[in-house]
Amino acid sequence: GIQVEQSPPDLILQEGANSTLRCNFSDSVNNLQWFHQNPWGQLINLFYIPSGTKQNGRLSATTVATERYSLLYISSSQTTDSGVYFCAVERGRRALTFGSGTRLQVQP
Amino acid sequence: KAGVTQTPRYLIKTRGQQVTLSCSPISGHRSVSWYQQTPGQGLQFLFEYFSETQRNKGNFPGRFSGRQFSNSRSEMNVSTLELGDSALYLCASSWEGTGELFFGEGSRLTVL
Repeated sequence: GIQVEQSPPDLILQEGANSTLRCNFSDSVNNLQWFHQNPWGQLINLFYIPSGTKQNGRLSATTVATERYSLLYISSSQTTDSGVYFCAVERGRRALTFGSGTRLQVQP
Repeated sequence: KAGVTQTPRYLIKTRGQQVTLSCSPISGHRSVSWYQQTPGQGLQFLFEYFSETQRNKGNFPGRFSGRQFSNSRSEMNVSTLELGDSALYLCASSWEGTGELFFGEGSRLTVL
């Protein structure tokens, strides 16, 4: 099956810093989503981005489908950005394959 | 518009028992899928239902089963619980099964 690798696995930032999270996938996909898992376990949708670039406030994402990677940018990080960020892809099976996540800790 | 609703949120069972979890999708969504999250295996796909039919199934033993009702609500059942079944079970809904998925808050199962 398709492989999804996220980097870095862990990231510690000071409040106000910027960061880039990366997601590499091993085959072409027709769906890619970024999620933030909150402390209670819910996966919060950040972006649905099988290709192209999107922005939502301090967050933006870019997927280069031909090169099989996606990037999530977080600017001016806040402590509320802390948590685990997941990239998930789908390749026509109506089932998401998740990466192992990036655990982000933003310190005040 | 209400999100995906899962019940119960937390439950504790003992080995050998069975459990049923419920998921109500976003209104208008016809596809419901289930995922298991454990510290060791991460997030893994269990199965997907659309119009009361299971269209896809992940690599889990037959103890894991599910169904979908005519109103798109779904249930999953785990029989003969094992310690390794302790996990967060997440339900997601979407319009057709592809495209953007929306997740509920999950049901956290502890097996003692």
